[in-house]
Amino acid sequence: AQKVTQAQTEISVVEKEDVTLDCVYETRDTTYYLFWYKQPPSGELVFLIRRNSFDEQNEISGRYSWNFQKSTSSFNFTITASQVVDSAVYFCALSLDNNAGNMLTFGGGTRLMVKP
Amino acid sequence: DTEVTQTPKHLVMGMTNKKSLKCEQHMGHRAMYWYKQKAKKPPELMFVYSYEKLSINESVPSRFSPECPNSSLLNLHLHALQPEDSALYLCASSLKAGTSYEQYFGPGTRLTVT
Repeated sequence: AQKVTQAQTEISVVEKEDVTLDCVYETRDTTYYLFWYKQPPSGELVFLIRRNSFDEQNEISGRYSWNFQKSTSSFNFTITASQVVDSAVYFCALSLDNNAGNMLTFGGGTRLMVKP
Repeated sequence: DTEVTQTPKHLVMGMTNKKSLKCEQHMGHRAMYWYKQKAKKPPELMFVYSYEKLSINESVPSRFSPECPNSSLLNLHLHALQPEDSALYLCASSLKAGTSYEQYFGPGTRLTVT
């Protein structure tokens, strides 16, 4: 069975600090997909990124960057120069390449608080 | 436009009431999902619809009854709920029900059962 672990339950930083959210996953499958979602206080989960297991290239999107390392089964997320609007719960998720539908296994989430 | 809408935003119902949650998307997505999220927990999958047919039911009690009238609409009918069913109910959609497709979520309906 697959599993996603986000060891950091809460992180508090001051605005403009850089912050990294950790995600470690477990699966025996060779083909899988990893996702990050942001859930602000309003409740809606906002899709941030999808990565497939064959693409280990790191990605940067503005202040956001992702580091995918299969050797350590990690898919970490870094926010550079954090802002108050980044305050939210962030979920890492995993899905397998099968026909059972798009079933996401979520990590427990990391609550990020960015203080002015 | 990556928008999934849900109504109502808040719902308070008694244990003997019947109510429905509604979800709508106009992105041409053919897979739609219902999730339940308790406070400080990740979302838990309840149902998956693929091409308007129920493809996954995660052993959800029968007091929750999903319905997909067409490719844009998804309903969740509620009847005889228990206080422990109080939660945020999230709807999502994706292009198809394959694992490579990201899901887009609505803002949720916050349900309180009294």
